Order: sequence, then C-alpha cells, then structure tokens
Amino acid sequence: DIQMTQSPSSLSASVGDRVTITCRASQSISTYLNWYQQKPGKAPKLLIYVASSLQSGVPSRFSGSGSGTDFTLTISSLQPEDFATYYCQQSYSTPPYTFGQGTKLEIK
Amino acid sequence: QVQLVQSGAEVKKPGASVKVSCKASGYTFTSYYMHWVRQAPGQGLEWMGIINPSGGGTTYAQNFQVRVTLTRDTSTSTVYMELSSLRSEDTAVYYCARAIIAVTDRGKPDAFEIWGQGTMVTVSS
Repeated sequence: DIQMTQSPSSLSASVGDRVTITCRASQSISTYLNWYQQKPGKAPKLLIYVASSLQSGVPSRFSGSGSGTDFTLTISSLQPEDFATYYCQQSYSTPPYTFGQGTKLEIK
Repeated sequence: QVQLVQSGAEVKKPGASVKVSCKASGYTFTSYYMHWVRQAPGQGLEWMGIINPSGGGTTYAQNFQVRVTLTRDTSTSTVYMELSSLRSEDTAVYYCARAIIAVTDRGKPDAFEIWGQGTMVTVSS
C-alpha cells in the first residue's frame, strides 16, 4: 500500500498568513493526489483534484502543486473560514485509496 | 443538485451487524462509482470500499474484506454498506462519497467529489 505522510500534523497561523501544507507519498503517484478540507462535525470537501486542479467554487487563495512523491497545498491569505483539518489522498495505486493523517490548522 | 443522504445514527452491540444506506439524487445513479469511508472519533479518514452502481461490482479494502458488503438498489438510487461482527473499534462516522469519475472512465484519476452527511455508528455493550 502507498503511505501518505503530511507535515506538519498541526499548525497555528493568523488571518492573512500564507500557509503551506506538505504531503509525501511512499512511492511515485504522478499527480494522482487530491486535497480535502474538513470542518468539525462535517463531511470532508474536495478542494483540489489531481494535484493542482481547483474544484468549482473553491476560492482562488487555495492552490496545489507537486508531482511524483512531493506535494503542497498553499493558502495564500488565510481567512477565518479556512481553519479546519486538511487531508491529502492518493488514487494512483488502488485499492486501497489512502489518506494522509491530516493537518489541523488552528488560529494563533 | 447532486446530493447524498444517509440513514440515521445507529447503536449496536459487539458482534452485531449494521447496515447504512446512502440515497443519491440529482444525477444518473448508475453513472458514477460510490465509495465508503469511515472516521473514528478524533481520527483520520479510512477508505473501506467501492461499488459500481451499474453492474454491482465491488472492491474492498483488505482491512474490511471479510466483514463489509456493499450493495445497491437501482430502483431507489440507494447504496448500502453492511458491516458485520462489530467491535468497539468500529465506532465511527461512516460516509458514502460519490466518485469524481464515471463508470465509463475507469483508469482515470479518482477522487471523492460528493459526500453524504455521515452516519454515526456506536458499538457498545
């Protein structure tokens, strides 16, 4: 199985900050990497598809990049509604579809 | 609009089974794969399996291979997830999630595009 490792596991930041979350795959997954946002008590929401394709309705302050084994999710200017947990997920080698352990983004 | 509506919370005893439903609307039910993902309290996301609503074919995660069964009813656009031999570690929120790829697009990158609201399953004696 492909293991996905996110860093950091948690992050404190302020409104307006630029934030980067990293996801590393245990082997190359091309660009078969997705990012999700999850708020407490809610289902995850797909933000970015195949590493860099922003889903419809997702604010342009979110961006994704990377290929192979290393990927990043960047929020260019944090807004209050962005404080949530973020997960990466690979769909290159399935089953199983595997997720990172999550990055909790908290208000400083 | 595209929507997945799941059945309500369940409380089960160890050793019992649970069956959770996921009713789809707003799109052609048989055109898109459906996944199931679970999340234990305070934990991350764990993929359980996938079903092709068109033909009924399924693939399960190794961890659940023996205990999980995914089925569908095309007449009601509903997918079901049944988990047997429940233990306390199965206490979690269970989500259905529609794939981003159509069943005719197998081989393309997949993602979980549309999610149900989640169903809390509590296993306790």
